[in-house]
Amino acid sequence: KAGVTQTPRYLIKTRGQQVTLSCSPISGHRSVSWYQQTPGQGLQFLFEYFSETQRNKGNFPGRFSGRQFSNSRSEMNVSTLELGDSALYLCASSRQGSDTQYFGPGTRLTVL
Amino acid sequence: DQQVKQNSPSLSVQEGRISILNCDYTNSMFDYFLWYKKYPAEGPTFLISISSIKDKNEDGRFTVFLNKSAKHLSLHIVPSQPGDSAVYFCAASPLTQGAQKLVFGQGTRLTINP
Repeated sequence: KAGVTQTPRYLIKTRGQQVTLSCSPISGHRSVSWYQQTPGQGLQFLFEYFSETQRNKGNFPGRFSGRQFSNSRSEMNVSTLELGDSALYLCASSRQGSDTQYFGPGTRLTVL
Repeated sequence: DQQVKQNSPSLSVQEGRISILNCDYTNSMFDYFLWYKKYPAEGPTFLISISSIKDKNEDGRFTVFLNKSAKHLSLHIVPSQPGDSAVYFCAASPLTQGAQKLVFGQGTRLTINP
């Protein structure tokens, strides 16, 4: 069974730009969560989607948004990028009724 | 306010010996706990989990212990192997209905010395 995939793996943007990251969950998994990992803050929860609806949201500004499609694939968007948005963005999926999340390899975003 | 804490940023263990990684939490609403292993530039890999109704769960060389009264969990790896060298994160899941949200500790870098 294929794991969680994320594209692109690496991305370089400049301040003020916007970016869209993509995540394909494990087949059959309907829940997709997004996390940000930085050296200072560690792994922090961004938001979670299930059946195209945002079910839970972390403490991030409105510049961070996401969506989920009918095939469970998810995208995350960050607008008006800031230097502090440089991080590894991780996507995780889980099947309904399970608390165990499986992570993708992440997208390394660098904001210059 | 850090709800999940891993107080040891690093740990060095000799190959073949036992590695013990510790994790403390403050939120009594957490009911499910997980350990992940992470290599640089990769996503976390799920290792083992434990529900709050248990105090021990074992999977091969990995055993997780949960002490609810102390709000403490630990991961034991025995015997430790060089391939175990990585950053280990503990994570906790709040008691919520239908929502997935993991709260992670800051991680412990484990180094297994030959």
